[in-house]
Amino acid sequence: GENVEQHPSTLSVQEGDSAVIKCTYSDSASNYFPWYKQELGKRPQLIIDIRSNVGEKKDQRIAVTLNKTAKHFSLHITETQPEDSAVYFCAATISGSARQLTFGSGTQLTVLP
Amino acid sequence: NAGVTQTPKFQVLKTGQSMTLQCAQDMNHEYMSWYRQDPGMGLRLIHYSVGAGITDQGEVPNGYNVSRSTTEDFPLRLLSAAPSQTSVYFCASSPQLAASYEQYFGPGTRLTVT
Repeated sequence: GENVEQHPSTLSVQEGDSAVIKCTYSDSASNYFPWYKQELGKRPQLIIDIRSNVGEKKDQRIAVTLNKTAKHFSLHITETQPEDSAVYFCAATISGSARQLTFGSGTQLTVLP
Repeated sequence: NAGVTQTPKFQVLKTGQSMTLQCAQDMNHEYMSWYRQDPGMGLRLIHYSVGAGITDQGEVPNGYNVSRSTTEDFPLRLLSAAPSQTSVYFCASSPQLAASYEQYFGPGTRLTVT
């Protein structure tokens, strides 16, 4: 089955700096890659996703890049703010399947004021 | 819409007890899933369903049963609770739309087995 590895497990940045979180996946058939944000004690919520026919996608301060050849994808957050502090999870699945997501282990992002 | 709801929010069980975690959604989503979240391990899929009457196993199904008699409800049953099942459990649903693969999560149930 699919295996998703996520790095780093913890990341601290100064407010206003950029943050990058990286994930690799093992199943070349995976073609949908979402990122979820989970604030302390809350449920995970989708912040951005990308499909394998696209190399990059942006939404304001958040962007995701995908390298299908290397089987890795990354989350980029620019101009970080204290409210960006949370745990971020990457995931992968095969579109057309039953939406079974395989998640990475998570990255605790702390934005220091 | 209430979205995805889960009950209870917290539960303490003794080893060997059984219980059912409830999950309901009012968005008419076909797909529903149960995940468990443990520190440092992300979310792992327990069971999932692609529609009423259809369920299948995920990555970590042992010790859990599910059924899907209606589109709205997807309960998770712990048959004989073990300390290894101490975790936070999330139910999620997703629409049957090719354009959207977003999973909508419930608020979670924190389960402790002593």
